Amino acid sequence: KQEVTQIPAALSVPEGENLVLNCSFTDSAIYNLQWFRQDPGKGLTSLLLIQSSQREQTSGRLNASLDKSSGRSTLYIAASQPGDSATYLCAVRRGNNNDMRFGAGTRLTVKP
Amino acid sequence: SAVISQKPSRDICQRGTSLTIQCQVDSQVTMMFWYRQQPGQSLTLIATANQGSEATYESGFVIDKFPISRPNLTFSTLTVSNMSPEDSSIYLCSVALDRLVETQYFGPGTRLLVL
Repeated sequence: KQEVTQIPAALSVPEGENLVLNCSFTDSAIYNLQWFRQDPGKGLTSLLLIQSSQREQTSGRLNASLDKSSGRSTLYIAASQPGDSATYLCAVRRGNNNDMRFGAGTRLTVKP
Repeated sequence: SAVISQKPSRDICQRGTSLTIQCQVDSQVTMMFWYRQQPGQSLTLIATANQGSEATYESGFVIDKFPISRPNLTFSTLTVSNMSPEDSSIYLCSVALDRLVETQYFGPGTRLLVL
């Protein structure tokens, strides 16, 4: 059974810092991995999707890496801003269906 | 992409009652799903809502407790039946535009508190 763990559970940083969020998974046989952002009352927003054959994806100040062999993914946020404050969720998909497993998330607070 | 709305956005209910949550999508979608997010925990898939047939439930979830309807390609409901405090969660509707489910879109969620 796939287990997805996110560390840390919560993180508070001053504005402008670069930061890394971690996601680990127990079964390396994944189809893809997705990072989401969750804002209160607004559901989930997809940030980056990494296919199993890829090692990283970038979007603006966000960079996500994937190391399947070690069962790890990181989300790097450059020059953090208060608007980045949210809960970040990592999810892995086993196949091209809806077998998606979520981590419990990292709650990020960026202080002005 | 898809724009998803859910009703109600939040509710406080008494033990033993039932609540029906609605999910409306702004376009026809192939796949619709219902998730639960308990406090401090990750999202867990409850079931896949199938148009015109019974939903497909994940292990640990049953139709009697979480009946689901999907009358067309843009609408689904989830009922939480005979509620207990343990049902207090955020319930999220999610859709995929095709069966490959490459990307899922999520609704804003329904925050439920059972007293």
